[in-house]
Amino acid sequence: NAGVTQTPKFRILKIGQSMTLQCTQDMNHNYMYWYRQDPGMGLKLIYYSVGAGITDKGEVPNGYNVSRSTTEDFPLRLELAAPSQTSVYFCASSYSDGTGQFFGPGTRLTVL
Amino acid sequence: AQSVTQLGSHVSVSEGALVLLRCNYSSSVPPYLFWYVQYPNQGLQLLLKYTSAATLVKGINGFEAEFKKSETSFHLTKPSAHMSDAAEYFCAVGPSGAGSYQLTFGKGTKLSVIP
Repeated sequence: NAGVTQTPKFRILKIGQSMTLQCTQDMNHNYMYWYRQDPGMGLKLIYYSVGAGITDKGEVPNGYNVSRSTTEDFPLRLELAAPSQTSVYFCASSYSDGTGQFFGPGTRLTVL
Repeated sequence: AQSVTQLGSHVSVSEGALVLLRCNYSSSVPPYLFWYVQYPNQGLQLLLKYTSAATLVKGINGFEAEFKKSETSFHLTKPSAHMSDAAEYFCAVGPSGAGSYQLTFGKGTKLSVIP
């Protein structure tokens, strides 16, 4: 049982490039989430999904897109990378009873 | 709307001393409350959670937290700090019940333990 896995661990992008951050969970959780973490700011929700085929915006969705074709996978897409997207990105998953989210190890992204 | 306030972005304690990390929340519905710990360069790990059962919640690594509705607080404590407790701690609030999904996180409190 690997829990929540994220790839890559680190990435440097140039302004305007695109990339996909991968997230997979093996706990059969319906709910999945993407957060970004900036120093001193806590975690901000980017997008979330309550099941395969269903996604919705969180607090800071601009510049990002998601899809959820399977229960296990929830990739996050950056289309035109900007320096403001330099951050640490965390994927999480949970059961639908609100009793806590399980987090992946994070992806540290730098946009130059 | 929900919000979380963690008092003190940085707390230092001596090894063996009491750890007290403060969290106040606001929520329009009975909340679920959580404490997470983050070690350097790692993801967040759930320490403990309050889900409307006992108001005193025990978690991993000797931590506990008490839900006080009248004070809208959920402070995290540990009787005796250990060097391995040095990390960043996040309080989070969520709406209660099935179908809930969004958590609101505080900005975090970094705990330093002085030998």
